[in-house]
Amino acid sequence: QPVLTQPPSASASLGASVTLTCTLNNGYSNYKVDWYQQRPGMGPRFVMRVGTGGIVESKGNGIPDRFSVSGSGLNRYLTIKNIQEDDESDYYCATDHGTWNNFLWVFGGGTKLTVL
Amino acid sequence: EVQLVESGGGLEQPGGSLRLSCAVSGFDFSTYEMNWVRQAPGKGLQWISYIVGSGDTIYYADSVKGRFTISRDNAKNSLYLQMNSLRVEDTAVYYCARVGGNDVLDMWGQGTMVTVSS
Repeated sequence: QPVLTQPPSASASLGASVTLTCTLNNGYSNYKVDWYQQRPGMGPRFVMRVGTGGIVESKGNGIPDRFSVSGSGLNRYLTIKNIQEDDESDYYCATDHGTWNNFLWVFGGGTKLTVL
Repeated sequence: EVQLVESGGGLEQPGGSLRLSCAVSGFDFSTYEMNWVRQAPGKGLQWISYIVGSGDTIYYADSVKGRFTISRDNAKNSLYLQMNSLRVEDTAVYYCARVGGNDVLDMWGQGTMVTVSS
């Protein structure tokens, strides 16, 4: 089954840009990945889906244009430009995996983004 | 406005049972697939169960298979998670999450805390 790997932490200064990475394990390079934002004490919020060709479908409700995604090989990226204090959150990537008799969602370990 | 509100969490002893509920509003519940996802304190998200709109197809994570049961009552716009044989490692915030039209988890509740401890 797919495994998603994320660096545990990232940081960026107010107004700067940051790119978060989610890496699929070998054999799953064609998988799309979903990004979720989780602010402290709140439930997750869907950001957007990404494949190797970039965004798939549309962004989640209320996600600003400062957020974008891209993909290459086994890596799926979430880039945040002009970082705001509000962006300080945990970011998770996820994918779904189905076989003939099973189905599951897999999450990465999450990246804690600190805004300096 | 779409809303998902979880309830039923609390403190339970190892081996005990709890039943979680997720009350939804603002959308045609019966036409949406739903999930339960949990998050242990200070840890990441873990998917645990999925159910289609009719309730006919259900899947579980291996960690809860045989102990937890997902169900739904479309007439009451509610999703449930019956948790039996609870273990200390089941301690987590439990979220219900809707599968949107593009197969993403597009709406989430605020979660309900389950603590399993003696």
